Amino acid sequence: QVQLVQSGAEVQKPGASVKVSCKASGHALSDYAMHWVRQAPGQRLEWMGWINADSDKTKYSEKFQARVTITRDTSATTVYMELNSLTYEDTAMYFCAINSSPATATVYAFDVWGQGTMLTVS
Amino acid sequence: DIQMTQSPSSLSASVGDRVTITCRASQFISTYLNWYQQKPGIAPKLLIYGASTLQSGVPSRFSGSGSGTDFTLTITSLQPEDFATYYCQQSYITIGTFGQGTKLEI
Repeated sequence: QVQLVQSGAEVQKPGASVKVSCKASGHALSDYAMHWVRQAPGQRLEWMGWINADSDKTKYSEKFQARVTITRDTSATTVYMELNSLTYEDTAMYFCAINSSPATATVYAFDVWGQGTMLTVS
Repeated sequence: DIQMTQSPSSLSASVGDRVTITCRASQFISTYLNWYQQKPGIAPKLLIYGASTLQSGVPSRFSGSGSGTDFTLTITSLQPEDFATYYCQQSYITIGTFGQGTKLEI
């Protein structure tokens, strides 16, 4: 079973950028499309965007379109989510997630999640 | 944009109870509806996908139903570990819009 391991907590100033990584263990990450979901304190989950398994296509939520970039390194072992022009409202837990089976992929159900990376904008 | 509304927002129950959580979509989403359980400080866990398919490893006391715009998550015989927040997610239009959550408390 694939496991996702994310980079550690971040503290950034308003206007700065942050780049969060997500690495797979137990399976090649290159087999999966990777999604990013965030959750501000006490708020609902928000889907931010995804990169496909071939790394040639990305799609972003309209809310984040102008500020987010999702990339995969050339060895395809790590996926990155970069968020620019940070504001206090970007303080949140950021999760990477995948659909690890054809069945869950069909309905974009996220069945494997990273442990989360807490971003504090202060 | 599709809006997902869960009810109730919070719910008190006891071990052994049967509970039902409702999720309503603002427009038709067929059966593109998934349910998650989340405990504080931990990533969500997939329970049900495609409205009614139980994710592997999830206890059979969890079940989902519905199609179109109205969906339910039912938990029969609540166990202590079931007290958590539950979210629905539609994936019919755009990949993920989540409900506001239902907090299930003892």
